[in-house]
Amino acid sequence: QAQLVESGGGVVQPGRSLRLSCAASGFTFSNYAMHWVRQAPGKGLEWVAVVSHDGSDIRDADSVKGRFTISRDNSKNTLYLQMNSLRAEDTAVYFCATQYCSRTGCYLYYFDHWGQGTLVTVSS
Amino acid sequence: QSALTQPASVSGSPGQSITISCTGTSSDVGSYNLVSWYQQHPGKAPKLMIYEVSKRPSGVSNRFSGSKSGNTASLTISGLQAEDEADYYCCSYAGSVLFGGGTKLTVL
Repeated sequence: QAQLVESGGGVVQPGRSLRLSCAASGFTFSNYAMHWVRQAPGKGLEWVAVVSHDGSDIRDADSVKGRFTISRDNSKNTLYLQMNSLRAEDTAVYFCATQYCSRTGCYLYYFDHWGQGTLVTVSS
Repeated sequence: QSALTQPASVSGSPGQSITISCTGTSSDVGSYNLVSWYQQHPGKAPKLMIYEVSKRPSGVSNRFSGSKSGNTASLTISGLQAEDEADYYCCSYAGSVLFGGGTKLTVL
């Protein structure tokens, strides 16, 4: 049973940094591309970034480009999101999620297993 | 790129069918068969319900179906049940990932 557990959220002042972690278990982490998706309080979903299974390819949303960095450590079965220069509009629950793999193939831009999320609040 | 457009809310009675629309543009929904739908209950993580416009992941009820016409994708839920009450989000890819604003489904 795949399990993802996010941590590292909290209250941070604008302009400061925070690093989120996502610990994976119950599946072969190194076989899956991984995503971060966020959800502002009472709002919809927003894709943040994706990292390939081996960490060699990274893509991110324009809203976080140059400020957030996604990475992974397959030896530790852990996904990270380094968030710098945080803004009030980055306040959200941050979810990590695996790509979706069916019996016939894997799809990069569908999100299958999700964590429970960790809340990041950017406020002075 | 703008978010995809969904109705804010839809409702239906148990046993009925409802359809949620998701309108994009010729650059996203209209160009790619990369539409997916997610169900999210309050305080929970989203769940993948439909991918590649109309395919269901293993374990998802066949009461859920997806389709697309032009720039608009649709999710249909037939035989509405109380547990279907949730928020539903469409998603498409067009160089980046776009989500719809979400639709709150109320089962009357």
